[in-house]
Amino acid sequence: GDSVTQMEGPVTLSEEAFLTINCTYTATGYPSLFWYVQYPGEGLQLLLKATKADDKGSNKGFEATYRKETTSFHLEKGSVQVSDSAVYFCALGMGSASKIIFGSGTRLSIRP
Amino acid sequence: SAVISQKPSRDICQRGTSLTIQCQVDSQVTMMFWYRQQPGQSLTLIATANQGSEATYESGFVIDKFPISRPNLTFSTLTVSNMSPEDSSIYLCSVVPQGIPYEQYFGPGTRLTVT
Repeated sequence: GDSVTQMEGPVTLSEEAFLTINCTYTATGYPSLFWYVQYPGEGLQLLLKATKADDKGSNKGFEATYRKETTSFHLEKGSVQVSDSAVYFCALGMGSASKIIFGSGTRLSIRP
Repeated sequence: SAVISQKPSRDICQRGTSLTIQCQVDSQVTMMFWYRQQPGQSLTLIATANQGSEATYESGFVIDKFPISRPNLTFSTLTVSNMSPEDSSIYLCSVVPQGIPYEQYFGPGTRLTVT
């Protein structure tokens, strides 16, 4: 079945470091891909999305490119801040029911 | 987007009791969903709340344990029945705004602790 695999955490970086969180997917069709973020004590927020191959989603300095050839949607940011500390979930959406399948989440901690 | 509120935000309940969680959206939406997020885990879809008809449950979730209502396009409830400590989780409502398929927006969640 459809699934999402993302790198395990926790990931700890220093402020201003470069961030990559890997995400790969398995799907029988052509999914939409998402990154959601969950800040401490808060609900999930949609960070960015891409709906077709080669699309790049971006928001708040984060980017991810929909790579059909490698079935990947890696999240990147050039210079992280302490305020980026959160759990990041990669997800895909398939089918007419708009169901979303989530990866296991990656906890990111940024040191000052 | 859509603004979603959930009540209660948190609760501590005794085993064997039931709790009803409310989800209210500020605009009409096409779809509403209920998820569970167990401590330190990812989100698991419980069911799709269908307006005016029975909810569609995912494998492993049943109506007797998690009855769901959706009387209109902006409101839904999830009841966690006959609770046990294993039901301690965050329960989240999500919606798909009209005209934006697949883009789900989540409520703040209800943190449930069962003792």
